[in-house]
Amino acid sequence: DGGITQSPKYLFRKEGQNVTLSCEQNLNHDAMYWYRQDPGQGLRLIYYSQIVNDFQKGDIAEGYSVSREKKESFPLTVTSAQKNPTAFYLCASSTPRRNTEAFFGQGTRLTVV
Amino acid sequence: GQQLNQSPQSMFIQEGEDVSMNCTSSSIFNTWLWYKQDPGEGPVLLIALYKAGELTSNGRLTAQFGITRKDSFLNISASIPSDVGIYFCAGLNTGTASKLTFGTGTRLQVTL
Repeated sequence: DGGITQSPKYLFRKEGQNVTLSCEQNLNHDAMYWYRQDPGQGLRLIYYSQIVNDFQKGDIAEGYSVSREKKESFPLTVTSAQKNPTAFYLCASSTPRRNTEAFFGQGTRLTVV
Repeated sequence: GQQLNQSPQSMFIQEGEDVSMNCTSSSIFNTWLWYKQDPGEGPVLLIALYKAGELTSNGRLTAQFGITRKDSFLNISASIPSDVGIYFCAGLNTGTASKLTFGTGTRLQVTL
């Protein structure tokens, strides 16, 4: 089945460590997005990519980095520079065509210990 | 960054009641999407709208694409306990520089 997969579901990190969250899609979508969600809050855009080898900062990009070497994959690295990384991270994908839809992965809950 | 204004922010309703929520933007979109999120899960797409004035249904859910292209509405008829969750609207302009912009969410709680 086509879909978008995030892994792992739960992730624990020690302070000062970088950690990479995986996002893979087999929907042949060009655009991919990373969002951060804090408890009881909406979704805030971290980074997005509309095409391979290109990506743009979203509203809260500081302390995060991404790469888009393949159409199917858009990993997010939470660096030690991110002051408050504990959150729920969501990846999504869509196409730039008309009548597009955007789908989400199941999310990764990152906890700094 | 821009977030779409969604209202109400939260609502408590009784089972069987109808629910209405809306989403407004300062800029126009050519696609409106409505999602439901359960706790600890990713949002699930409920309805997609592509044309100003369009009215689309999915079971007990009906959504409308506003004529001005700056707003959208979601109605849930005869609510049931499993309707509990957070509902998000999202606007998207396909083509160049497409960026999915989300509403602030409406938290729905249904009492028996």
